[in-house]
Amino acid sequence: ELKVEQNPLFLSMQEGKNYTIYCNYSTTSDRLYWYRQDPGKSLESLFVLLSNGAVKQEGRLMASLDTKARLSTLHITAAVHDLSATYFCAVDRMTGNQFYFGTGTSLTVIP
Amino acid sequence: SQTIHQWPATLVQPVGSPLSLECTVEGTSNPNLYWYRQAAGRGLQLLFYSVGIGQISSEVPQNLSASRPQDRQFILSSKKLLLSDSGFYLCAFSSPPFSYGYTFGSGTRLTVV
Repeated sequence: ELKVEQNPLFLSMQEGKNYTIYCNYSTTSDRLYWYRQDPGKSLESLFVLLSNGAVKQEGRLMASLDTKARLSTLHITAAVHDLSATYFCAVDRMTGNQFYFGTGTSLTVIP
Repeated sequence: SQTIHQWPATLVQPVGSPLSLECTVEGTSNPNLYWYRQAAGRGLQLLFYSVGIGQISSEVPQNLSASRPQDRQFILSSKKLLLSDSGFYLCAFSSPPFSYGYTFGSGTRLTVV
């Protein structure tokens, strides 16, 4: 069974600081997705990474994918309070019909 | 554009009562459809998915069932709710060629009392 691990599970950081969230997965996949969830809300798609070496950036967030290492990172630059949310990565097993989600990283940005 | 509608947004039901949550998708054909549950402060648990009308795959044995009576309609049901059925239920879809991830509905917060 495909396993997806995120770390850290909880992250508290000060505004203006940088940090990286890691997403490791256990089997071959070339597609990885990042989602954001605000408290009490649904999930919003952030990034779709479809190939080895893919890098996507949106504002203060940048995601990358290394399929050989089975690792994706979500890098936060100069954090602001509005980035406080839970971030999920998900992996798509190409032969299947479902995603496998990580456990989520709860990010709190402190002023 | 492709959209997903899920209702109701919130629901408070007594133990032993039935449940019906509905999800519809617009702007695409032959989507894959999914029901997830999220307990408070927890991750996502896949409950059911469907790749076509009448085709339902169950991931977790439980008190719930799903049906897909039409191509873009997905229903989650229970005959008798348990306290442990409380949670945040999310419907999602992915569209051919199924490479661009899921789009999630707005969710239903179910509280069983």
